[in-house]
Amino acid sequence: GQNIDQPTEMTATEGAIVQINCTYQTSGFNGLFWYQQHAGEAPTFLSYNVLDGLEEKGRFSSFLSRSKGYSYLLLKELQMKDSASYLCAVRDRIGGYNKLIFGAGTRLAVHP
Amino acid sequence: EPEVTQTPSHQVTQMGQEVILRCVPISNHLYFYWYRQILGQKVEFLVSFYNNEISEKSEIFDDQFSVERPDGSNFTLKIRSTKLEDSAMYFCASILGGNTIYFGEGSWLTVV
Repeated sequence: GQNIDQPTEMTATEGAIVQINCTYQTSGFNGLFWYQQHAGEAPTFLSYNVLDGLEEKGRFSSFLSRSKGYSYLLLKELQMKDSASYLCAVRDRIGGYNKLIFGAGTRLAVHP
Repeated sequence: EPEVTQTPSHQVTQMGQEVILRCVPISNHLYFYWYRQILGQKVEFLVSFYNNEISEKSEIFDDQFSVERPDGSNFTLKIRSTKLEDSAMYFCASILGGNTIYFGEGSWLTVV
């Protein structure tokens, strides 16, 4: 089966750094994605990892350890507009086709 | 930047009525998906579509649901007889074959 766990809520201060963790179990792992979702809007792509290690993209970085079934999203220099839900999603490849399986999301509140 | 477009953005329908949600994926993309998100819950996979047929569907995608690509550009999700629990945001997504899955802005469906 598939299981993706991430914390439900986090709070952080403007200008700070926050790390959002994600653990997963899946049978056909083919990459891990992080999406940002503001309330009532579509998920927007932030990052993608398929190999172990850190991927950096501006203020956002994402790390993957496939052996541990673990990823994190690191947000630096937090801004108020970063208040949103952050969705960890695993690309599952079964029978030759890919689909994304989403975690429940972590609601991040950034305060002054 | 290319985008996936969805119509309608909002629809209110009576229980038992048929609903068709429309999507125009990015023109050269090959894989198409429908996801749904019940308010306050996680994004859930419904169905994937490739080469003019369903490649995978979830347990949610029962006989009340169908998809088709009638004219080579539109990709539709039909719910034959809506139930209250079908109220959700429905997202269409498409991918060429690489790593970035593009989501549409979503269609809010409210069943009353």
